[in-house]
Amino acid sequence: EVQLLESGGGLVQPGGSLRLSCVASGFTITNYAVTWVRQAPGKGLDWVSVISDSAGRTYYADSVKGRFTISRDTSKNTLYLEMNGLRAEDTAVYYCAKGGWDCSGGSCYSSPFDPWGQGTLVTVSS
Amino acid sequence: QSALTQPASVSGSPGQSITISCTGTSSDVGGYNYVSWYQQHPGKAPKLIIYAIRNRPSGVSNRFSGSKSGNTASLTISGLQAEDEADYYCSSYTISNNLYVFGTGTKVTVL
Repeated sequence: EVQLLESGGGLVQPGGSLRLSCVASGFTITNYAVTWVRQAPGKGLDWVSVISDSAGRTYYADSVKGRFTISRDTSKNTLYLEMNGLRAEDTAVYYCAKGGWDCSGGSCYSSPFDPWGQGTLVTVSS
Repeated sequence: QSALTQPASVSGSPGQSITISCTGTSSDVGGYNYVSWYQQHPGKAPKLIIYAIRNRPSGVSNRFSGSKSGNTASLTISGLQAEDEADYYCSSYTISNNLYVFGTGTKVTVL
């Protein structure tokens, strides 16, 4: 069974940093794209970043580009989201999900986000 | 990149059919077949119910169906049941800088 489990959320001051983790089981993260999506309290879903294919190409939403870094540790089958320069508007539940833009095998395609982890809450406040 | 436009709320009685629209542009919904739909119950993670416009993952009820015409995708729920009461979001790949865009979300109420 494919599962994802996020951790690392918490309360951080504006301008601070946080690293989120997403442990994957049931599949090997280097063989699939894996995506971060966030949801501010009471708001809709917002795509954040994806790391795709065996080359580990990365893509970011304009709102986080230059502040967030997505990476993975193949030995731990774990995905990370390093978040720096945090702002109040980054407050959200952060989900990781299997799927996204992938360019494995010489062609590019999009796979749906499935499944999702349970999410981890990040609160940016003084 | 603006979010895809969905109605804020849709309601129906048990057994009825409802349709949720998702309107984008030729840069996203209209230009690609990478449209997905997600169901989210309160306090829970989203769940994939439709992908590639009209395909259902294994285990998803056939009461859920998807379609697309031009820049608008649609999700139809037939034989509405109490358990269908949830928020629904569409999503599309986009040629813009942000690879993916979500819809504004639709709250479905079963009367």
